[in-house]
Amino acid sequence: NAGVTQTPKFQVLKTGQSMTLQCAQDMNHNSMYWYRQDPGMGLRLIYYSASEGTTDKGEVPNGYNVSRLNKREFSLRLESAAPSQTSVYFCASSERDRELEQYFGPGTRLTVT
Amino acid sequence: QKEVEQNSGPLSVPEGAIASLNCTYSDRVSQSFFWYRQYSGKSPELIMSIYSNGDKEDGRFTAQLNKASQYVSLLIRDSQPSDSATYLCAVRGSSGGYQKVTFGTGTKLQVIP
Repeated sequence: NAGVTQTPKFQVLKTGQSMTLQCAQDMNHNSMYWYRQDPGMGLRLIYYSASEGTTDKGEVPNGYNVSRLNKREFSLRLESAAPSQTSVYFCASSERDRELEQYFGPGTRLTVT
Repeated sequence: QKEVEQNSGPLSVPEGAIASLNCTYSDRVSQSFFWYRQYSGKSPELIMSIYSNGDKEDGRFTAQLNKASQYVSLLIRDSQPSDSATYLCAVRGSSGGYQKVTFGTGTKLQVIP
């Protein structure tokens, strides 16, 4: 079992460029999440998906879109990157009704110049 | 007031000592709590959960919960240099269908050999 995988591991973008962060899990979890982690701010939820076909906004959704492609995959898209989106992005998954027990991917370090 | 508060540290303890990490939360009806460990440059990983008032032990780790005072603690006995990491407190809220999980910003622990 690979658990939760994310690609890419590192990315540098110029302001205004777009990109998609990919996430996949092989634990048959229903729920998936995207977080960003910034120094002093902790983990902040961007979007989550409670099940295939559903997505909901989290705490900081502005500037992002998501797609729950199927049960395994949950992607995060930056349509027009801004320097404020420089961060480490984590994808996570959990069983339904066990939201506290989240399994995290290795993260993507994104720099927007 | 932040929903989940942790002292950012660093908390420095000598090898073999007990490390005590604390977390307070503001939502009085929170029911579930989890501790995560995050090594520098890595993703958070689950340590243990606690749901009831009192202590819960798992190896060298003991989680303590006091709902009346709204705090949860993590004790690490016989601290080892390999325990040096940031410890995140996670609290599951009580509103809505999706049980919101809020992470603290973490306490950095340094175990000095």
